[in-house]
Amino acid sequence: GAVVSQHPSWVICKSGTSVKIECRSLDFQATTMFWYRQFPKQSLMLMATSNEGSKATYEQGVEKDKFLINHASLTLSTLTVTSAHPEDSSFYICSARAPGQTAAKFFGPGTRLTVL
Amino acid sequence: LAKTTQPISMDSYEGQEVNITCSHNNIATNDYITWYQQFPSQGPRFIIQGYKTKVTNEVASLFIPADRKSSTLSLPRVSLSDTAVYYCLVGGTNDYKLSFGAGTTVTVRA
Repeated sequence: GAVVSQHPSWVICKSGTSVKIECRSLDFQATTMFWYRQFPKQSLMLMATSNEGSKATYEQGVEKDKFLINHASLTLSTLTVTSAHPEDSSFYICSARAPGQTAAKFFGPGTRLTVL
Repeated sequence: LAKTTQPISMDSYEGQEVNITCSHNNIATNDYITWYQQFPSQGPRFIIQGYKTKVTNEVASLFIPADRKSSTLSLPRVSLSDTAVYYCLVGGTNDYKLSFGAGTTVTVRA
């Protein structure tokens, strides 16, 4: 099946720094990618939808200036957590949708972000 | 997006069949029903997707009644490695995004 990768798989950073997380579709072109955040023992929360070549659409309550999303190519989307704080520590997961799919079926393995 | 309701948890034993029912009363005409499995610290894994009646693949079956207001994921002969959280999602044909509910934690015991 289709594969979605994320890099890095985990990252630890100091408060105030910015962290970039990459999401790649390895064997298909993803017209749409989605970013989720998951806190311990909770479900996934959709943060934003990104379409290749256009601005991301953020869910209500998600700060677009804090979580910068770029979808510059059909195989790569990046999420940058700017000026990270301890409360941003979470598990970030992306998913990708290929043309013709009814919905995004394939998820990345996730990135564990810990902000000290 | 259609809201889904599923049991918080279910316990089972190895070799048994596990059936998880999900309610989605306000499902839209164009919505599909998709089930995912998630292990701790991993991304969700696609299990099965359907629109109506019955769908079967190598790992599960999905039963959808005619009114489509609910669906049942059936996992045959579970093993310890099937212990995970299972999510039922509805939607995806208009804006393609999927919103996750609370999920069902399935615990399989020896």
